[in-house]
Amino acid sequence: KNEVEQSPQNLTAQEGEFITINCSYSVGISALHWLQQHPGGGIVSLFMLSSGKKKHGRLIATINIQEKHSSLHITASHPRDSAVYICAVTLSGTGNQFYFGTGTSLTVIP
Amino acid sequence: ETGVTQSPTHLIKTRGQQVTLRCSSQSGHNTVSWYQQALGQGPQFIFQYYREEENGRGNFPPRFSGLQFPNYSSELNVNALELDDSALYLCASSFEVRNTEAFFGQGTRLTVV
Repeated sequence: KNEVEQSPQNLTAQEGEFITINCSYSVGISALHWLQQHPGGGIVSLFMLSSGKKKHGRLIATINIQEKHSSLHITASHPRDSAVYICAVTLSGTGNQFYFGTGTSLTVIP
Repeated sequence: ETGVTQSPTHLIKTRGQQVTLRCSSQSGHNTVSWYQQALGQGPQFIFQYYREEENGRGNFPPRFSGLQFPNYSSELNVNALELDDSALYLCASSFEVRNTEAFFGQGTRLTVV
């Protein structure tokens, strides 16, 4: 069983829709990261969370430490948001070693 | 642009051969981790180097080895390549070993035939 589970695995949305991607984890963490991976492989860090909520442009990330759950929201989705979104955690007591979910493939249709 | 550069971008090797992949981190990044991402999967942690010493290892055999250099570059070496080693290899570096943002390279796509 993977320590990090994401849902949904695949998501297709119409441009302008509000999108939510969920992440649950089963271990003690020091931080949770939301990452974006475009075709070709490069990964970009979107958020690093240890509590609460963060917002950057149209992206919002929340985390509930007690429930071991995080969500990534995209408001007013756009075709350029199409990518794989990955939730990853760093475990308590370890270094900056990421344990990844399997990712959510998002396609936004114009 | 993350400031982390990997080379080469693509590579084809024959089963049984050895390969060296390289990662050049931002100045001051004393921590680098390497990950293997098979097609359709999330990346898997291979190992981490902190100040040129190995600082943690995932479930990979000893034929996967690494080095980190004082100039913030690092290497991943894989001996006796197997077909299942075909994957995207990613490096990620950070300023410190804990609780900091990581910066990922674009990856090296290795194909073993």
